[in-house]
Amino acid sequence: AQRVTQPEKLLSVFKGAPVELKCNYSYSGSPELFWYVQYSRQRLQLLLRHISRESIKGFTADLNKGETSFHLKKPFAQEEDSAMYYCALLGSSASKIIFGSGTRLSIRP
Amino acid sequence: SQTIHQWPATLVQPVGSPLSLECTVEGTSNPNLYWYRQAAGRGLQLLFYSIGIDQISSEVPQNLSASRPQDRQFILSSKKLLLSDSGFYLCAWNPGMGDTQYFGPGTRLTVL
Repeated sequence: AQRVTQPEKLLSVFKGAPVELKCNYSYSGSPELFWYVQYSRQRLQLLLRHISRESIKGFTADLNKGETSFHLKKPFAQEEDSAMYYCALLGSSASKIIFGSGTRLSIRP
Repeated sequence: SQTIHQWPATLVQPVGSPLSLECTVEGTSNPNLYWYRQAAGRGLQLLFYSIGIDQISSEVPQNLSASRPQDRQFILSSKKLLLSDSGFYLCAWNPGMGDTQYFGPGTRLTVL
């Protein structure tokens, strides 16, 4: 079964602290994974995708096939990082993207 | 440039009433189109997707249906709303298989 699991519904950290949002997936084959973000009063939008291997707004995510994980990390959290974050997996049909249940990240000043 | 629109932005409907939410995309042709529901505490659930006119795939059995009467128009409907249909409905598109999805502003539906 194709599935994305985000075990934390809410993650609260202090400004300047490291952030790690967890994501695990279930997929047979080579997965293609994404992180989407929704800031307050804004549309859901792509943050990064693993094939791009880029850092966006200081965030990075590394695909670990052994642990079937794609955790999102940032060394120093900023208040503007507060948002809802969704991990997503490209389905085998390639027509659809399967989203996790989301993690709300709250950065405390 | 491409844009995606949804309306209405908010809707309050009584139980048992019909529903029609509309989504349109501009600036592209033959997009893949998607309907999601974002329910509190339950994340983003894919309801329907479409890779072409009159080609609709349903992801979960439910009280809702979708139609794509034109290339860039995607409609979410119900004949009789249930309380459990309340939620935030998002439409999205992408240009092709595996591409980044672009989301609309959403419709907040409250069923009373």
